[in-house]
Formats: sequence, structure tokens, C-alpha cells
Amino acid sequence: DTEVTQTPKHLVMGMTNKKSLKCEQHMGHRAMYWYKQKAKKPPELMFVYSYEKLSINESVPSRFSPECPNSSLLNLHLHALQPEDSALYLCASSPRDREGEKLFFGSGTQLSVL
Amino acid sequence: ILNVEQSPQSLHVQEGDSTNFTCSFPSSNFYALHWYRWETAKSPEALFVMTLNGDEKKKGRISATLNTKEGYSYLYIKGSQPEDSATYLCASIKAAGNKLTFGGGTRVLVKP
Repeated sequence: DTEVTQTPKHLVMGMTNKKSLKCEQHMGHRAMYWYKQKAKKPPELMFVYSYEKLSINESVPSRFSPECPNSSLLNLHLHALQPEDSALYLCASSPRDREGEKLFFGSGTQLSVL
Repeated sequence: ILNVEQSPQSLHVQEGDSTNFTCSFPSSNFYALHWYRWETAKSPEALFVMTLNGDEKKKGRISATLNTKEGYSYLYIKGSQPEDSATYLCASIKAAGNKLTFGGGTRVLVKP
């Protein structure tokens, strides 16, 4: 299984809602990532988890809360989002937290905040 | 150069023709360059990870070269096919860090 699975594929939420994005991989990878891509812009790194510990937080607002309950799962909890947070959220994994490794991406969650 | 830049932003190619496009990246503290292919409604898929100056990688009809001294990489598609239609993203990573910085992508449309 070489897939990274993201759910849901689409999400519409209001600014007062709480929702979660889920990412799962069963390749035994020990590094997992959240990226955010706004329309017509490059993907931007949000968080990196390495061996289930948060290793990089790219100064992301606290309304985004990542969680890595085990080595196969990565969640992104969303609360009190703003319309400008509407974007494609991509999850990725790599075997270890090493610079030269390629990333395996999910197909993303398209988030709309109303 | 401070950011990763790709050119052109988009290009149309006739089926059977060959094409190439560019990724420019900061050359200081360079560690690796990644190329990804991203078809609409699918996941980005890694094509190449390149680290050495002068490196050339090939996968089927797609190949890439790397110049780390001047900070650029070319991606070549030989004999383009409609299934090559996708956005091609490059991303660079600096030494002692694990942060990939992506370019804006080159969107390739191959016309039958």
C-alpha cells in the first residue's frame, strides 16, 4: 500500500464550527506533513511530525491544531477559521525526517470557510 | 534568487513534440531538488530527487538535469503524450533543514 489517504475530500464549514481533517498512511513512514495551498500559489509547509513528535511549526495560527495519535495517523483540528483559510490542505509522508527523501502525498482536502 | 521559481507558468504542447521547462532555486546551502508531477484531482507524485551538481535523472520519456552552482534545473518531456498533461512542481531543500520550498509549478497541456 503506497497511498496516503485524506478525508474528507471536500469540507465546507462556518467560522464558528469545529472540524477535523484526517490523513492516514500504512507505509511505515515516520515523518508526516501538512501543507496548505491557496489557489495558483505553491504549497506551503504548515507542520512536520517526526516519530510522532511535532518537529516544525511554521508559525501557523493556533486555530489550526495538529495531532499525531500514532505513526499512521495525522489529524488537523480546525476551530474558528477565517474565510482566508479556504484552501487545499495536503498531507504527505516520508520514510524518515531526512532532507533527501521524496514525499508521498494525499490528494488533499478542499476546504471552504464561509 | 531568494525563492523557487518556475517558468513558464503554463505551456501547450502538440502531441509528439518534446518540451522543457525551468526551475530556479537559491544555490546557497543547497541540499536537494525534488520534481513532482500533479495531475488534476490526483495526488502529487514524486518524479525525481536530485542532489549532485550535474546530476541527470530519467524516468521513461521524462528526464531532468541539475546545476547547483547556478541554481537551476530543467525538466524535459520527450515525445509528449496526452497523459503527460499535468502540473509539474519543483521544490528545493536546504542543508540542515527539512523544509521543502515549492515553486509555483508549470502547467503542461498536451494537445492530441
